[in-house]
Parts: sequence; structure tokens; C-alpha cells
Amino acid sequence: NAGVTQTPKFRVLKTGQSMTLLCAQDMNHEYMYWYRQDPGMGLRLIHYSVGEGTTAKGEVPDGYNVSRLKKQNFLLGLESAAPSQTSVYFCASSPRGQGNQPQHFGDGTRLSIL
Amino acid sequence: GQQLNQSPQSMFIQEGEDVSMNCTSSSIFNTWLWYKQDPGEGPVLLIALYKAGELTSNGRLTAQFGITRKDSFLNISASIPSDVGIYFCAGQLYNNAGNMLTFGGGTRLMVKP
Repeated sequence: NAGVTQTPKFRVLKTGQSMTLLCAQDMNHEYMYWYRQDPGMGLRLIHYSVGEGTTAKGEVPDGYNVSRLKKQNFLLGLESAAPSQTSVYFCASSPRGQGNQPQHFGDGTRLSIL
Repeated sequence: GQQLNQSPQSMFIQEGEDVSMNCTSSSIFNTWLWYKQDPGEGPVLLIALYKAGELTSNGRLTAQFGITRKDSFLNISASIPSDVGIYFCAGQLYNNAGNMLTFGGGTRLMVKP
């Protein structure tokens, strides 16, 4: 029962490099989310998707792009990595609908930008 | 962006003691959630509260959804070493734009055996 799977788990980049973080869920959830977590702070929403082919900006979207080409996958891209993007990134998913629909989280991707 | 005020930021207690933490917000939420995060892992849902005034227990954990819909508390009774971790509250709003979560800053719990 995999749930939400994130790859890679760790990555070190140089400033200016690009990369894509992959999130996959096997629960047939409609909604998917990308968060970042910084020391001493809770999770902040970067982008989210309410269905295949649709994405929307969250609280801190600058410097990131996302794509939801398949229902089970949600990709987070950094086109030109900056040290300020050093963080732990979490993906989450939830079913559609009001009430009783908590988000389920992956184990995170720890990203360091040098 | 909106943030929840979660307190305390950290606690260092003796094994067997009870723990209490809370969250407050200037806005109302449809649902309050409490998550626990262990090192190197993602948040795991502990308790979900869906109605104002609701009091829910999960083993040694008890949480309540405030009457005003702007606050919640989590209590842990008779703490044990495996309770160590970071506890996050989250307020949830659900609409056609998605089930949006707003997180508190977390309470780091340390338990001395």
C-alpha cells in the first residue's frame, strides 16, 4: 500500500541548475498538492491541482512550475534553482469533495541548492 | 499568507507527564487536523475534527474543535518516548478550488525517559 511516493528523496543542486521532483499516488485521488517546509515553520503551499490537466498557484509559487498530465502524478519543476529554494518538499493528495477528506503526505524530498 | 498561531513552539517533558498544545486563527475553518511528523518522514494524520465543539480521542490523544471554529487543542496523556516529534495543527477549507490546508508552525515535543 504505497500511498504517496516522492522521488528523489535527496538531491543537491548548484545554483542555476534545473530539476523535477516527482510525486505519485495510487489512491485515485483527484487533488494533489506541493508544499515546502522550512525550519521553524509549518508547511507552505506552492502549487496544487484539482484534477488532471489543471494546476493553480498556492501561497509561495514563485520560482516553481508544476504539471499534472496524469491523474496519479504531480510534477514540481525548478527551472533555475536558487539557494532560497533549499528546503524539504512534501507532496500530498486528497479525494475530491467536502468534508472528511484529509490530505495524505509523502515522506518528502530534501533539496539543497549550493 | 495566513498562518495559524501554534503554541508552545517546543516542550521538554518527563515521561508519564501530560502534554497540551493549541492553535488559534483569525479565520474560521471547516475542519481542524492534527498531524505528527517524525524525523525524515512526512506528516501523518492523528486526529481530524469536523464539527465546532467536537471532542475526539485516539488512544492517549484527545483533541477539540473550538466553538468559534477558530481554535483547537491537542492533549497527550501519559507521554512515552515514542511521542517525540513535531506536532502540527492545520485548518482546512474545502471548496471547488480544493481542500486547502493552512498549517501552524509546529510544536516540537521532547520526552525524557
